[in-house]
Amino acid sequence: KQEVTQIPAALSVPEGENLVLNCSFTDSAIYNLQWFRQDPGKGLTSLLLIQSSQREQTSGRLNASLDKSSGRSTLYIAASQPGDSATYLCAVCDGNKLVFGAGTILRVKS
Amino acid sequence: DTEVTQTPKHLVMGMTNKKSLKCEQHMGHRAMYWYKQKAKKPPELMFVYSYEKLSINESVPSRFSPECPNSSLLNLHLHALQPEDSALYLCASSQVETATEKLFFGSGTQLSVL
Repeated sequence: KQEVTQIPAALSVPEGENLVLNCSFTDSAIYNLQWFRQDPGKGLTSLLLIQSSQREQTSGRLNASLDKSSGRSTLYIAASQPGDSATYLCAVCDGNKLVFGAGTILRVKS
Repeated sequence: DTEVTQTPKHLVMGMTNKKSLKCEQHMGHRAMYWYKQKAKKPPELMFVYSYEKLSINESVPSRFSPECPNSSLLNLHLHALQPEDSALYLCASSQVETATEKLFFGSGTQLSVL
């Protein structure tokens, strides 16, 4: 059974700092990995989708990498801003459905 | 239009009530999903509809009854819920039902069962 773990569970950084969020998964037979952002009490917004054949994807200040063989992904956020404060979830697709991690709660202090 | 619209945003109901949650998308997606999310937990898949037919039911109790009237609409009918069913209910859609494409989520319905 696929299990997804995110570390750290919570992170607080000053504005302007670069940061890395980590995601690991137990079964490397995945179709893709997606990173989502969730604001409190709201739905999820898809940030980046990395196909299993890809190594990384970039969107603005966000860069996500995937190492399928080791079961790891990272989300890099450059020059963090208070507006980046949210919960970040990673999810792996097994070809049938998404399996989510518990998320990292990010707080960027101004 | 890349939006999934859910109504209502908030719902309070008693254990004997019957209510419905509604979800709509106009992106031409053929798959629609219901997820349940408890506070500080990841979303849990409840149902998947593909081409208006139920393709996945994650052993959800019968007090939750999904309905897909057409490819743009997905309802979740609620009856005789328990307080532990209080959660954020999220609807999502994607091009295909295997979640191999991006999922687009609605903003959710925050449900409280008294």
